Amino acid sequence: QKEVEQNSGPLSVPEGAIASLNCTYSDRGSQSFFWYRQYSGKSPELIMFIYSNGDKEDGRFTAQLNKASQYVSLLIRDSQPSDSATYLCAVRSSASKIIFGSGTRLSIRP
Amino acid sequence: DADVTQTPRNRITKTGKRIMLECSQTKGHDRMYWYRQDPGLGLRLIYYSFDVKDINKGEISDGYSVSRQAQAKFSLSLESAIPNQTALYFCATSAPNDRADTGELFFGEGSRLTVL
Repeated sequence: QKEVEQNSGPLSVPEGAIASLNCTYSDRGSQSFFWYRQYSGKSPELIMFIYSNGDKEDGRFTAQLNKASQYVSLLIRDSQPSDSATYLCAVRSSASKIIFGSGTRLSIRP
Repeated sequence: DADVTQTPRNRITKTGKRIMLECSQTKGHDRMYWYRQDPGLGLRLIYYSFDVKDINKGEISDGYSVSRQAQAKFSLSLESAIPNQTALYFCATSAPNDRADTGELFFGEGSRLTVL
């Protein structure tokens, strides 16, 4: 079992709709959870982090964490063409190493 | 100037050659990481280091070695490169937990390695 799992996509969402990205992790002692966005040929950039159960909102982005279910998600409201990218879920494990999922490719169609 | 600098940015080499990828940072971070990225596989952790005297294996360390020459420098070596090590390699840094930092990773621009 991979430590961090994501659906690879591609996920296609119409412009203006909500995009929902999901991630599960295996280490129950994991401490911190991150969502990175990566455009083709570029380095990943952090868009959200979350430590506590529940929701965390930042502009159009909402991260959701459920430690009991070992599940973290990212919602993108009012999706824009510029949101088309690969979204990487990352988890800081109990050993403090940071492990990534395989990424979900998101495409926003006009 | 970039806070995390990787050299070389692109390298083509032949099977069996020794290759070193270098990473230097000006962020003053203690923690440094090497990841490789292959299409559809996300970022996979090769090695990580929490300070100069601390080196840890990641998910896929076989065939790789690292050296933490100073707080600011962390090099990745392929002693005898093979074609399936063709990938995009990223160096990243983060501040330690006790600085109450977010744990955010700061990435270099990547080093694209092709092994023929």
